[in-house]
Amino acid sequence: GAGVSQSPRYKVAKRGQDVALRCDPISGHVSLFWYQQALGQGPEFLTYFQNEAQLDKSGLPSDRFFAERPEGSVSTLKIQRTQQEDSAVYLCASSSEAAMNTEAFFGQGTRLTVV
Amino acid sequence: KQEVTQIPAALSVPEGENLVLNCSFTDSAIYNLQWFRQDPGKGLTSLLLIQSSQREQTSGRLNASLDKSSGRSTLYIAASQPGDSATYLCAVPSYGQNFVFGPGTRLSVLP
Repeated sequence: GAGVSQSPRYKVAKRGQDVALRCDPISGHVSLFWYQQALGQGPEFLTYFQNEAQLDKSGLPSDRFFAERPEGSVSTLKIQRTQQEDSAVYLCASSSEAAMNTEAFFGQGTRLTVV
Repeated sequence: KQEVTQIPAALSVPEGENLVLNCSFTDSAIYNLQWFRQDPGKGLTSLLLIQSSQREQTSGRLNASLDKSSGRSTLYIAASQPGDSATYLCAVPSYGQNFVFGPGTRLSVLP
């Protein structure tokens, strides 16, 4: 596709429910990032993949958060037993190389509301 | 730990004004700095990427400068238009392979 695609765009979950958020990066992009953005704040790093390898998950806030990219393309961010503090916009980004001097392209995000 | 701040937090200007948005970072050992635009309820759109070896980048009415030694970058917007209204975020790569973002500057350009 032409850009990074995320689905769903909006998700309302009841507290305690599990959710799965999908990211389709730009075709051929090596690097994939997940970020969490609370209202009125900048995005905060969650995790990073280089192809299928999850090289950095230091930003995941708890063991309820899990991300995978099994074939080095599409990625899924799963949140188990959602809590109200998980309400945020979840952004996915990809870049063409593993090196950090390449431009990152972001998707539209998934707005998660936990009620 | 890399920290990024942006000043001002919000800015409201009449159409046609030239304006400057500021970004500061604590660790000058960066590969690059990227400026993004975010419209309400939308994702981030990349505006400019400045490599560490560059001092500035230009795209249309936008000009971004980078001073690594002082840990600062500025985004200059010439002849502002109502369509420029958005939140502007700067980001720098941190240790490992991720970006650290500033909190953003919320810009309103009034017709």
